[in-house]
Amino acid sequence: DAKTTQPNSMESNEEEPVHLPCNHSTISGTDYIHWYRQLPSQGPEYVIHGLTSNVNNRMASLAIAEDRKSSTLILHRATLRDAAVYYCILDGTSYDKVIFGPGTSLSVIP
Amino acid sequence: DAGITQSPRYKITETGRQVTLMCHQTWSHSYMFWYRQDLGHGLRLIYYSAAADITDKGEVPDGYVVSRSKTENFPLTLESATRSQTSVYFCASRTGVQPQHFGDGTRLSIL
Repeated sequence: DAKTTQPNSMESNEEEPVHLPCNHSTISGTDYIHWYRQLPSQGPEYVIHGLTSNVNNRMASLAIAEDRKSSTLILHRATLRDAAVYYCILDGTSYDKVIFGPGTSLSVIP
Repeated sequence: DAGITQSPRYKITETGRQVTLMCHQTWSHSYMFWYRQDLGHGLRLIYYSAAADITDKGEVPDGYVVSRSKTENFPLTLESATRSQTSVYFCASRTGVQPQHFGDGTRLSIL
């Protein structure tokens, strides 16, 4: 099963950029890299996803390594509302193999 | 409003009882999922459904039953609740390879 590895926790100062890493050395050619985040007492929320090229949207940017074995979620200016658990998952065509690990708990310091 | 809703938001029951968690989505998404989340863990897939009347097991299906008679509904039933099933349950839906949309969860306590 394709799995990802993320740091358990990270800290960032408010209004500074945050780089959240994710390793996925067993990624297959059809796996998309998805990022979700989960605020306290809420369900996970989609952030961004990509296959091979870097992606940008209003929430974040996703930088994907050339060999696709790692990726980085970039929050350009962290706010207190960005404090959440961030999940990096591999999502292909086998839905029973979508695995959410413990994620990275991001703390934002005012 | 369009979206995915779970009910109830909170439920307390006793061991051995049957309990059903409801999930309703208004997008007509073909795929629906049930996850459980325990303290300190990520989400674990219980069951999923690719379409009405098509369901399949996920990572932790034991003790749970699902059905999908209509595209918009995907109820999860604990036939005889056990304390180990105390958890937060999330329902999600998606279409194709698009991202999943999650509900706000049901917090289930089994005494």
